[in-house]
Amino acid sequence: QVQLQESGPGLVKPSQTLSLTCTVSGGSISSGGYYWSWIRQHPGKGLEWIGYIYYSGSTYYNPSLKSRVTISVDTSKNQFSLKLSSVTAADTAVYYCARDGGAGGWGQGTLVTVSS
Amino acid sequence: DIQMTQSPSSLSASVGDRVTITCQASQDISNYLNWYQQKPGKAPKLLIYDASNLETGVPSRFSGSGSGTDFTFTISSLQPEDIATYYCQQYDNHSYTFGQGTKLEIK
Repeated sequence: QVQLQESGPGLVKPSQTLSLTCTVSGGSISSGGYYWSWIRQHPGKGLEWIGYIYYSGSTYYNPSLKSRVTISVDTSKNQFSLKLSSVTAADTAVYYCARDGGAGGWGQGTLVTVSS
Repeated sequence: DIQMTQSPSSLSASVGDRVTITCQASQDISNYLNWYQQKPGKAPKLLIYDASNLETGVPSRFSGSGSGTDFTFTISSLQPEDIATYYCQQYDNHSYTFGQGTKLEIK
C-alpha cells in the first residue's frame, strides 16, 4: 500500500516561496498510471485541489492558483514537490500530498503558516 | 471550471438515523465522483468511488448513488463513530473539485 509523507518548512514569510516535498513509499512514481496531487485545507475550512503531476512531468493546476504554482517530480528519489510563490497569510493551510486526487491515498498533512 | 454544490453544510442526527447528503455538479461529470470522510486532525478517507462503489473495508451502511450532475451519499444507520465532515469530489477534465463539506453531528 502506497504511503505518502510531506516535508518542508512550517513557517514561510510573506512574499516568499512555499516549498514542500512529498516522499512516496510502497510504490514507484515512475511506474505510471497515477496522478500525484497537492491539496490544501485552510484552518477550519474545506479542501482545495492545487494541482497534479504525472510521472512524465505533465502537470495540471487549479486555475485560481496557476500563476503561482509549480509542481515537479523527481522519479530517482520517488518524490514530487510543490512550489507556491508570492505567498500571503491567505496561503496558511494544511498541505496534503495525495495520489489520484486522494482516492489513492493521502499524506498526513503539514501545516504551513505564512507570517513575518 | 466544474463547481460542486454540496448540501447541507451541517447536519444533526440521532444514532440509528438514515442520513443523506447531496452533491450537484455544474456540468455532466458522468460517474466521476468520490465521497470522503474527514475526522478532526486527520487526512480525508475515501469511502465511495465512481459515485457508487464502496471502498474496500468501508462499512456497508455507507452508500452512494447518482450520475451526470446529481449525486447522493447515504448512511443507512448512523453510528457514533460516523461523526465527521464529509466531502464529495469530482474528477473530470483534468481537474478535481471538492464540495464545501457537510459537518455531521450527533443529536
